[in-house]
Amino acid sequence: EDQVTQSPEALRLQEGESSSLNCSYTVSGLRGLFWYRQDPGKGPEFLFTLYSAGEEKEKERLKATLTKKESFLHITAPKPEDSATYLCAVVGSSNTGKLIFGQGTTLQVKP
Amino acid sequence: DTAVSQTPKYLVTQMGNDKSIKCEQNLGHDTMYWYKQDSKKFLKIMFSYNNKELIINETVPNRFSPKSPDKAHLNLHINSLELGDSAVYFCASRIGQQETQYFGPGTRLLVL
Repeated sequence: EDQVTQSPEALRLQEGESSSLNCSYTVSGLRGLFWYRQDPGKGPEFLFTLYSAGEEKEKERLKATLTKKESFLHITAPKPEDSATYLCAVVGSSNTGKLIFGQGTTLQVKP
Repeated sequence: DTAVSQTPKYLVTQMGNDKSIKCEQNLGHDTMYWYKQDSKKFLKIMFSYNNKELIINETVPNRFSPKSPDKAHLNLHINSLELGDSAVYFCASRIGQQETQYFGPGTRLLVL
């Protein structure tokens, strides 16, 4: 069964303090690993799709990386506006089109 | 400019009532979804339609009935609402073989 586990559940950082969020997954035939950002009271906002081990993608202060077992979302010099819940999800070949989500990491960046 | 929109944004109702949530996307996508997000923020798929055809139907009570009048719209009708149905319901869409899904703003349902 496809499964996603995110850690930590919550993370508090000072502005400028870089860190990483972890997404561990088990999936039969990875078709894609996805990172979303969700602000309170809003829908998940797409950030990145990663397809194969070794792939990396960047957007502003965020960088997503992928290995065969996990993905990291690195946040460099975060700002208070980066505060949100970050969701990781996978699609496997046995569940095409079905996003399997982790429970999310809630990030708070203090000024 | 809204890509995936949902109505209503908030829905407060009594147990036993029947209610509907509507979703529309203007992205030209051919596959649409309903997800449920519980109080712990865990997102779980409920249904998926591709070109008006139901293709994913998770273990959801049959009080929930999705309907897709065309590939740009997906509605969710819920009969005999229960307290446990209180959650945020998200619509999402994607196109073709691309797996990336785009989400709507959500409908917050509270059953009293």
